[in-house]
Amino acid sequence: QITLKESGPTLVKPTQTLTLTCTFSGFSLSTSGVGVGWIRQPPGKALEWLALIYWDDDKRYSPSLKSRLTITKDTSKNQVVLTMTNMDPVDTATYYCAHSTIAAAGTVDYWGQGTLVTVSS
Amino acid sequence: QSALTQPASVSGSPGQSITISCTGTSSDVGGYNYVSWYQQHPGKAPKLMIYDVSNRPSGVSNRFSGSKSGNTASLTISGLQAEDEADYYCSSYTSSSTLEVFGGGTKLTVL
Repeated sequence: QITLKESGPTLVKPTQTLTLTCTFSGFSLSTSGVGVGWIRQPPGKALEWLALIYWDDDKRYSPSLKSRLTITKDTSKNQVVLTMTNMDPVDTATYYCAHSTIAAAGTVDYWGQGTLVTVSS
Repeated sequence: QSALTQPASVSGSPGQSITISCTGTSSDVGGYNYVSWYQQHPGKAPKLMIYDVSNRPSGVSNRFSGSKSGNTASLTISGLQAEDEADYYCSSYTSSSTLEVFGGGTKLTVL
């Protein structure tokens, strides 16, 4: 059974750096073809891909946010970490961790429950 | 502004069928058979309902079906039920990015 769970701060101040951790079970990020990524959703708005990392350390980023994002993996801990610099109130959103495979071209078949991050001073 | 265009809302009565459209370009929807549909109930994570245009994951009701014509993909829900009331998002592989793009979402109301 595949599960993913997000953890991190619920409140960050403008200009601060956000660090989110996705801890997963039921699969290994060392298995060929597997990927874990991050998707966010501002309140009342649409979904937006942020970043995705594959088993071979191939990393993909949203073109509009690439300069602010870093995604890394710790295969031994079954974790993927996303950092986003220079946070702004418009970055207030629910952040989801997501499982995908390269064969699925980015389709997400398993989602974490999401974590709401508010950016406010 | 989302890369894929969906109607903001659709509605239907129980037992009826509805279709939600997702319009892109030849660089995404029209160029590849990698269109997915997600269902999202309020306060919940999205759930994959359709992948690769028309395939259903195990456990998804066969009342849900997907198709594509040109640059527009469609999700059809037949035999509408109250539990189908939710937001629906399409997504597609795109040559313009290394990540998929989402539609703006459609709110389905079951009257």
